[in-house]
Amino acid sequence: DQQVKQNSPSLSVQEGRISILNCDYTNSMFDYFLWYKKYPAEGPTFLISISSIKDKNEDGRFTVFLNKSAKHLSLHIVPSQPGDSAVYFCAASWFNNNDMRFGAGTRLTVKP
Amino acid sequence: GAGVSQSPSNKVTEKGKDVELRCDPISGHTALYWYRQSLGQGLEFLIYFQGNSAPDKSGLPSDRFSAERTGGSVSTLTIQRTQQEDSAVYLCASSRGHTGEKLFFGSGTQLSVL
Repeated sequence: DQQVKQNSPSLSVQEGRISILNCDYTNSMFDYFLWYKKYPAEGPTFLISISSIKDKNEDGRFTVFLNKSAKHLSLHIVPSQPGDSAVYFCAASWFNNNDMRFGAGTRLTVKP
Repeated sequence: GAGVSQSPSNKVTEKGKDVELRCDPISGHTALYWYRQSLGQGLEFLIYFQGNSAPDKSGLPSDRFSAERTGGSVSTLTIQRTQQEDSAVYLCASSRGHTGEKLFFGSGTQLSVL
């Protein structure tokens, strides 16, 4: 039961341009959403999160947008850098249940 | 320790053997998770421990999989009678257990079943 979906397995962008990674979810009970970044042979590391009471959260080059009516969120990276090349996972959890579910990931490649 | 520690980092076993994977969470973290990532796949939820509550085992793929968390700290994931499809990276994560709290992951155990 894939409750969190990342339909694009890969994305390639040029250095300096914007990267947009998308995520859809099916469970309307989710109220916290997180993005993680994963390099090869390492565990995922937390990047940015957003609560369902917000529609935008920004941290430096990273911004997450949430559209609750569409059950959709996106991660924007501006400007993209080669060091951003990694697999990005979208995750979600819900109140009083910290059981966090992840999407399948999107491999981002930023070309110099 | 400073981070989540998993051991072994690599495990090669023969089909039909049992394996145990260990996770040491960050000290004080009440929530502990096991996920696995098969080749080319995303993170698949396996099991979740929160404090003294009964674990959420809904992600365990079969009854060959089990996990324990002793003393609210170290956890062991056991796979009995391993099959080739069990080959994956098994990731452990911990958190302080608050809603929406970010997870801290270990580097994983690469399990290869021959």
